[in-house]
Amino acid sequence: QVQLSQWGAGLLKPSETLSLTCAVYGGSFSGHYWSWIRQPPGKGLEWIGEINHSGGTKYNPSLKSRVTISVDTSKNQFSLKMSSVTAADTAVYYCARGDDGGNSAGYWGQGTLVTVSS
Amino acid sequence: QTVVTQEPSLTVSPGGTVTLTCASSTGAVTSSYYPNWFQQKPGQAPRALIYSTSNKHSWTPAQFSGSLLGDKAALTLSGVQPEDEAEYYCLLYYGGAWVFGGGTKLIVL
Repeated sequence: QVQLSQWGAGLLKPSETLSLTCAVYGGSFSGHYWSWIRQPPGKGLEWIGEINHSGGTKYNPSLKSRVTISVDTSKNQFSLKMSSVTAADTAVYYCARGDDGGNSAGYWGQGTLVTVSS
Repeated sequence: QTVVTQEPSLTVSPGGTVTLTCASSTGAVTSSYYPNWFQQKPGQAPRALIYSTSNKHSWTPAQFSGSLLGDKAALTLSGVQPEDEAEYYCLLYYGGAWVFGGGTKLIVL
């Protein structure tokens, strides 16, 4: 059974760097797409980006300049870094696993609330 | 900027059938957009229901089905139950990125 467990700092000051990690349990780590998605309080979902099994990345154009997604295959983990955060980055951040064939995000992490406040 | 549009809210009676749609600002939605659908209940992470237009996950209830309807992607719920009341999101692929719709709040009343 596939499970994604995520963690990271929940309170940041403006201009700091957001850093989240997602660990994958069950199933293989290779051969999948690993994504980050966020949801501001009371609002809809926003796709942040993904990394594939070969290390190739795709990012939301509106966030691309501040976002880096990476993988550590030795630990079955992948990570999100977002620089220069502002209050607008306050959201619940989710990690997710996708697969070939247009399956963008079949398995999800539990979500991490990140608040940006001075 | 690409915009994916869903009905803000829909109301359905228990036992009824309802169709939610997902439109793209770029034109007709086709299978090349690999439409995905998600259900989210308050305080929970989203749950994947449909991928690549009409494919169900192993956990997707039989009452949910996905299709293309005219120039939009569609999610149809049959035999709606009170527990189906939730927010539903579609997700479309634009080659280099995925874009979520704004969500449809489904009210069962």
